[in-house]
Amino acid sequence: DQQVKQNSPSLSVQEGRISILNCDYTNSMFDYFLWYKKYPAEGPTFLISISSIKDKNEDGRFTVFLNKSAKHLSLHIVPSQPGDSAVYFCAASARDWGKLQFGAGTQVVVTP
Amino acid sequence: DAGITQSPRHKVTETGTPVTLRCHQTENHRYMYWYRQDPGHGLRLIHYSYGVKDTDKGEVSDGYSVSRSKTEDFLLTLESATSSQTSVYFCAISKQGTGVEQPQHFGDGTRLSIL
Repeated sequence: DQQVKQNSPSLSVQEGRISILNCDYTNSMFDYFLWYKKYPAEGPTFLISISSIKDKNEDGRFTVFLNKSAKHLSLHIVPSQPGDSAVYFCAASARDWGKLQFGAGTQVVVTP
Repeated sequence: DAGITQSPRHKVTETGTPVTLRCHQTENHRYMYWYRQDPGHGLRLIHYSYGVKDTDKGEVSDGYSVSRSKTEDFLLTLESATSSQTSVYFCAISKQGTGVEQPQHFGDGTRLSIL
């Protein structure tokens, strides 16, 4: 029973354009959401997070949007760079639960 | 980068043998976690620890045990390895586990192959 879903296993985008990654969740108790980036042979690296009290959080080229009513969040990367080519994982947690649930990941390839 | 070291980084072993993976942290964080990563599943929590000698099960704990005798070390043991346990295993740490919003930080993983 996967409570966090990333329905696009892969995304190809041109350098300089916007990358949009999507994530859906089913558990209404989730109140903290994170995105991780993972390169091959390395561990996931924390990228950006958002609390359920917000609908947007921005950090440089990365912006996360949260739509609680739709149980949907997205990650925007603008502009996309070759170094952004990686697998991106969406994760969610409930404050009182403390454990993370991960999506299956989206492989992003940024082409020149 | 968070000071997390996983050992070994790679291991090949045979079905039925015991295997122990080690996670060592230098951050003095209270919480430590073991995940496995498999295609199509993302990362799934095996076990976690909220203090020395305090551990609890995650969503895929069958066939695994853990121990934490020191703050800095969290061991994952496969008592009798099976081919279904072939995976990449990640350790993660966090300063606190509940009540606050903070990310977990991950080690670089152990690739385990069971033949």
